[in-house]
Amino acid sequence: DSGVTQTPKHLITATGQRVTLRCSPRSGDLSVYWYQQSLDQGLQFLIQYYNGEERAKGNILERFSAQQFPDLHSELNLSSLELGDSALYFCASSVEQGLPGANVLTFGAGSRLTVL
Amino acid sequence: GENVEQHPSTLSVQEGDSAVIKCTYSDSASNYFPWYKQELGKGPQLIIDIRSNVGEKKDQRIAVTLNKTAKHFSLHITETQPEDSAVYFCAASMGDFGNEKLTFGTGTRLTIIP
Repeated sequence: DSGVTQTPKHLITATGQRVTLRCSPRSGDLSVYWYQQSLDQGLQFLIQYYNGEERAKGNILERFSAQQFPDLHSELNLSSLELGDSALYFCASSVEQGLPGANVLTFGAGSRLTVL
Repeated sequence: GENVEQHPSTLSVQEGDSAVIKCTYSDSASNYFPWYKQELGKGPQLIIDIRSNVGEKKDQRIAVTLNKTAKHFSLHITETQPEDSAVYFCAASMGDFGNEKLTFGTGTRLTIIP
């Protein structure tokens, strides 16, 4: 167990629907990252939050949004789902404090989304 | 933006032999290069990392080398064991804390043959 909790583990839904993926970071970690892993693709960075504020944005679609709450858990909202959105969505967390480079990025086990 | 290429995409190695995975990056400003191991059904796990002010780093059977001039870095696993079978990802980033906008390679599926 990495300490990063993601729910649900698996999710099957239909095109056009909306889903919410949830992530609880490792205790003490202030920063949350979301990544998308499609079949035969590497990990694509979507978005990063630090202590409730958006810090960096990657190739996140406008149909996707995220937020980090005061208790530091984060949610990734995916709307108007398309077949191509089927993927593994990973959340990762890190402390982002202290010595530069001294922070390990810890990944959760992922949420597998299947859009039919 | 940064682009990371990783080779090979698949690698089969006899148990006890060495395995080498290579990555190249495009942005000379990148200064942090971690390697992640992803086992089936799990998220990626950091196994070793290197910063641009260091040319080589070793941790038991795992080593990483960095050539800033050529913009490439490599993962070396010696005395491979069955538990080394997994998908390995290299990554590159810049920034104070090293994790901002990590760009990952497409992964190498390593299979250790008993």
